Amino acid sequence: EPEVTQTPSHQVTQMGQEVILRCVPISNHLYFYWYRQILGQKVEFLVSFYNNEISEKSEIFDDQFSVERPDGSNFTLKIRSTKLEDSAMYFCASLRDQGRETQYFGPGTRLLVL
Amino acid sequence: GEDVEQSLFLSVREGDSSVINCTYTDSSSTYLYWYKQEPGAGLQLLTYIFSNMDMKQDQRLTVLLNKKDKHLSLRIADTQTGDSAIYFCARNQAGTALIFGKGTTLSVSS
Repeated sequence: EPEVTQTPSHQVTQMGQEVILRCVPISNHLYFYWYRQILGQKVEFLVSFYNNEISEKSEIFDDQFSVERPDGSNFTLKIRSTKLEDSAMYFCASLRDQGRETQYFGPGTRLLVL
Repeated sequence: GEDVEQSLFLSVREGDSSVINCTYTDSSSTYLYWYKQEPGAGLQLLTYIFSNMDMKQDQRLTVLLNKKDKHLSLRIADTQTGDSAIYFCARNQAGTALIFGKGTTLSVSS
């Protein structure tokens, strides 16, 4: 069964450094999402992406964040200058089309900012 | 208050039924979901229900939706130790961002 994959599974970085989290959505899916989960808290929406542009974003998704689909398979989340509070699990999800109900989630990248 | 609310903990004995409850505020929600998260793992979609349905059954799982009260529940029959996890209620409109509750930690003792 096709699945969403994410790399790396874990990343440790110093405060102020840039990080890029990578996701490979399911191949025929058209909508892509990033969510994050701070340890012990609920999963929060960051951004959705469709047709090579952001379709929706939350208050969390400020100027420090950006997303890109650099080729036909990868979907990336970049954090320009990481802060301690960016430490979280970041989940990528994809959806076949808007008429479908199910977003498929990747296994997540655990980001630790020191 | 929170958009999607859940009780934080539930403890049951193996073999009993578990009922996890969720309330939400946005009546325009099209779909309501239950996700399972095991320790250190990602989010596994367990089941979902379309807002015009009252009930959905899938093997040991039964989802009940009371749209008038904006109340969703997940019943797990014959709960097993492998069901121990965090269960998240979530809602959205088709294709839009999922809004999650804080999760209910289910602890199953043998």
